[in-house]
Amino acid sequence: AIRLTQSPSSISASPGDRVTITCRASQHISNFLAWYQQKPGKAPQLLIYSASTLRSGVPSRFSGSGSGTDFTLTITSLQSEDFATYYCQLSYNYPPEVSFGGGTKVEIK
Amino acid sequence: EVQLLESGGGMAPPGGSLTLSCAASGFTFSTYVMAWVRQTPGKGLEWVSGLGGSVAGSFYADSVRGRFTISRDNSDSKLFLQMDSLRDEDTAVYYCAKTEIAILPSAHWYFDLWGRGTLVTVSS
Repeated sequence: AIRLTQSPSSISASPGDRVTITCRASQHISNFLAWYQQKPGKAPQLLIYSASTLRSGVPSRFSGSGSGTDFTLTITSLQSEDFATYYCQLSYNYPPEVSFGGGTKVEIK
Repeated sequence: EVQLLESGGGMAPPGGSLTLSCAASGFTFSTYVMAWVRQTPGKGLEWVSGLGGSVAGSFYADSVRGRFTISRDNSDSKLFLQMDSLRDEDTAVYYCAKTEIAILPSAHWYFDLWGRGTLVTVSS
């Protein structure tokens, strides 16, 4: 099974900060990676898919990059509503192998 | 309104059974691959199972294969998860989730719509 390792597990940041979260796959997965945001008591929400495609309606301060094994989610100018937990998710091959990273909690400094 | 609404969660003993349901509205349910994803505080998010739209094709995580069965009723826009031989480690919030996949095979299993989740507790 392909493993996804997210880092850091938590970040303390201030509104206006730039935040970068990384996700590393244990083997090459091309660009089959998505990023989700989850707030307490709510379901995850899709932000980015295919590593770098911003979902319609998601603010442009969110961006994704990477291919192969190393991926990043960047939030430029952090807003108050961005304090949440972020997960990466791979979807590879067929039959599909689907798994999630361990999550990164973005907290207010 | 585009939404998914799960029901059927609750408590069951180890070895017991539960059936989860997910009612979809606001989109053409039969078109899309649907899935179940669960979440626990300890293990995080885990994909459980997925099912093709109108064409056969069901998929399971190794942890539930042979114990869980996914099905759907396209006429009623509902997704189901029959959970048998439940174990303590099946305790989780179970989410119903929609993909953008209309045609299988596809490797793009991204979940663009989620329900609010239903809690399953396996305990004696």
